[in-house]
Amino acid sequence: GDSVTQMEGPVTLSEEAFLTINCTYTATGYPSLFWYVQYPGEGLQLLLKATKADDKGSNKGFEATYRKETTSFHLEKGSVQVSDSAVYFCALRSDTNAGKSTFGDGTTLTVKP
Amino acid sequence: DAGVIQSPRHEVTEMGQEVTLRCKPISGHDYLFWYRQTMMRGLELLIYFNNNVPIDDSGMPEDRFSAKMPNASFSTLKIQPSEPRDSAVYFCASSLPGFKEAFFGQGTRLTVV
Repeated sequence: GDSVTQMEGPVTLSEEAFLTINCTYTATGYPSLFWYVQYPGEGLQLLLKATKADDKGSNKGFEATYRKETTSFHLEKGSVQVSDSAVYFCALRSDTNAGKSTFGDGTTLTVKP
Repeated sequence: DAGVIQSPRHEVTEMGQEVTLRCKPISGHDYLFWYRQTMMRGLELLIYFNNNVPIDDSGMPEDRFSAKMPNASFSTLKIQPSEPRDSAVYFCASSLPGFKEAFFGQGTRLTVV
């Protein structure tokens, strides 16, 4: 079945540091890939997505590129802010899994001033 | 659209009592998901519906848990009787079919004492 493996956390960075959170996936079909973000006390919300190989999703300075050859979708940001502190989830949705999404375990990011 | 609406936002109940969580999905979305989130187990898919029909309830932990979707605009998750280990944040999410992202509600924080 489908699976998503995320870099284990927690991750602690100083403000303006470069961020990478690794995500790799296994899927039998051709999935869409997503990064969701969860701020304290809130539900998950979509951060960015990519629907086919070599697509780059981007939002709020975050980027991730759909790499089919390495089955990866790593999240990056060039300069993090304190307000980026949150839990980040990598996820996929494929046509072979009857419509449900598969989520990674989440990575907690803390950015210190 | 107001997004996915869950109620109540917080619920405190005594062990043995019945608890009902409610969800109104985004209009036009034909998938509805119930998740549970805890520190120990992370984000777990409990059950999901497509066009009001339960598709996969394999994540429902016990017979004490039940979910219904009587129409396209309303779903409930019921726990009867509740136990302290059911304490968690319960999220409802909805989505369109295909490779679309899920939209999450704000969650219901359940505490069973």
